Amino acid sequence: GAVVSQHPSWVICKSGTSVKIECRSLDFQATTMFWYRQFPKQSLMLMATSNEGSKATYEQGVEKDKFLINHASLTLSTLTVTSAHPEDSSFYICSARTGIEQETQYFGPGTRLLVL
Amino acid sequence: GEDVEQSLFLSVREGDSSVINCTYTDSSSTYLYWYKQEPGAGLQLLTYIFSNMDMKQDQRLTVLLNKKDKHLSLRIADTQTGDSAIYFCAEKGGYSTLTFGKGTMLLVSP
Repeated sequence: GAVVSQHPSWVICKSGTSVKIECRSLDFQATTMFWYRQFPKQSLMLMATSNEGSKATYEQGVEKDKFLINHASLTLSTLTVTSAHPEDSSFYICSARTGIEQETQYFGPGTRLLVL
Repeated sequence: GEDVEQSLFLSVREGDSSVINCTYTDSSSTYLYWYKQEPGAGLQLLTYIFSNMDMKQDQRLTVLLNKKDKHLSLRIADTQTGDSAIYFCAEKGGYSTLTFGKGTMLLVSP
């Protein structure tokens, strides 16, 4: 149980376009989802926390107008990278937490974004 | 902000035990975690320990926590080549978010 999927697994886009990444909890309801960013050989950096039905809470230094997060249902959160630039190229990973099992986050397989 | 430190690299032979160490600074940590990341993949939760525990064992994995020294370790017994991956230590602090270390690359040679 506790499977989280992400789509797409990788995406290549031109500079200036927008890219949407989906994160789904497949077998549980995720009251909270998290979006992380990981640069090569680096740790995961939390970008934002989203609770179903409310606005996301962004970490310091993360532009909310650039990284739009929507958590419209208990099984789906989306991250849209707007007007992507090469420096946005990274590995984006989401995680999900149930309302009951507060101590555990289940991670998706990640989405690799390359902006040309 | 809070900080989590890990050694970057560990190399062991197949069949040996591996010990990956981690230190953290957040004195209000409630849970501490070990995640495994294989190349190009997301994070797989291996195990976690509540901050009022000293030790937790789960099959080949043993987690030791020294809360006084803010030191966490992960021991993998009988290490296999399939254990080669990056291992992340993470702590959950007062705001319920996770702070990750930079990861320890474990290389297991035959």
